[in-house]
Amino acid sequence: GQQLNQSPQSMFIQEGEDVSMNCTSSSIFNTWLWYKQDPGEGPVLLIALYKAGELTSNGRLTAQFGITRKDSFLNISASIPSDVGIYFCAGQRGTYKYIFGTGTRLKVLA
Amino acid sequence: EPEVTQTPSHQVTQMGQEVILRCVPISNHLYFYWYRQILGQKVEFLVSFYNNEISEKSEIFDDQFSVERPDGSNFTLKIRSTKLEDSAMYFCASSEIGQGGYEQYFGPGTRLTVT
Repeated sequence: GQQLNQSPQSMFIQEGEDVSMNCTSSSIFNTWLWYKQDPGEGPVLLIALYKAGELTSNGRLTAQFGITRKDSFLNISASIPSDVGIYFCAGQRGTYKYIFGTGTRLKVLA
Repeated sequence: EPEVTQTPSHQVTQMGQEVILRCVPISNHLYFYWYRQILGQKVEFLVSFYNNEISEKSEIFDDQFSVERPDGSNFTLKIRSTKLEDSAMYFCASSEIGQGGYEQYFGPGTRLTVT
């Protein structure tokens, strides 16, 4: 089946550092979404990507839709303590459902 | 800002009992979804719903599950006879547009515990 692998699985960073994470698949996707989830809460939409090669920013967050359409990247600049959480990518192939990645757990050390 | 709401936030039920999870999607959205997340795992798609019918469902969404839009605002997920393995967070989501990719906005979830 379709699988989205995220790396790293988890990361500890110092406040103020930049963060990079990615999401890869063996399948092609038409749309990528990036979500952040805090413990016990629902995923919150951060960024949506619709075209291969597209680069989109939302404040300190920047995401890219990979040229091969099999991957996507999320960067967070100048991390702050509230960036702590789990980041999920989600891909859609033209049907209604999104397939979620395995998640990257981010911990920020003040 | 409009948001998806879900009730209850936590439901405890005994194995074999029926549960109904409720959601109020964002008011101008036409497509509705249920996802679930077993503790510590990724979010999994269950079903999508449009124009009063199921548009897509996963293999998880078997005959024990059903969805309904009983009125103009609510969207429900019913599990007829709960099993221990149904314990999970259940998220409702909605979007303006469905097929072909569009932003899906999630509710805060209902934690279902089956004992």
